[in-house]
Amino acid sequence: DQQVKQNSPSLSVQEGRISILNCDYTNSMFDYFLWYKKYPAEGPTFLISISSIKDKNEDGRFTVFLNKSAKHLSLHIVPSQPGDSAVYFCAALIQGAQKLVFGQGTRLTINP
Amino acid sequence: GAGVSQTPSNKVTEKGKYVELRCDPISGHTALYWYRQSLGQGPEFLIYFQGTGAADDSGLPNDRFFAVRPEGSVSTLKIQRTERGDSAVYLCASSSRLAGSYNEQFFGPGTRLTVL
Repeated sequence: DQQVKQNSPSLSVQEGRISILNCDYTNSMFDYFLWYKKYPAEGPTFLISISSIKDKNEDGRFTVFLNKSAKHLSLHIVPSQPGDSAVYFCAALIQGAQKLVFGQGTRLTINP
Repeated sequence: GAGVSQTPSNKVTEKGKYVELRCDPISGHTALYWYRQSLGQGPEFLIYFQGTGAADDSGLPNDRFFAVRPEGSVSTLKIQRTERGDSAVYLCASSSRLAGSYNEQFFGPGTRLTVL
């Protein structure tokens, strides 16, 4: 039972353009959502998060959008840079539970 | 400062053997987590410690898996009678726990376990 789903295993984007990564969830109890970035042979690193009381959170080139009625969130990266090439994981949790529930990941490749 | 460290970075073992994986959290972090990442999947939660006690072990797949954190710092994940399906990257994370809020989990580089 995959509660957090990233349906695109990979995405290729031209440098300077916008990258949009998508994530869907099924558990309506989730109230906090995060994006992690992972390089090979390294652990995931936190990128950006959003609480369920908001629909948008922005941090520099990264913006996360949350659509609670559709149980969907997305990560926008603009402009995309070669260093953004990595695997991106969407994760969710129920406040107080502390355990993260991850999606399968999307491999983003930024082409020069 | 030093991040989360995990040893060994790679472990190859034979089916049926016992293995121990070690995690050193960030100094001062009271919460410690273990996750397992199989090929092509995202990390899956195994167990969470707050201090020395396991606050949530609901992700441990069966009784072959056990984890300890006797002094509230270093943790060891122990796997008995390993099976080929246990092959995965085992990730450890730590965070400073504040009641009623989410605290960023900092991940280590993981231990890649291969069971032949």
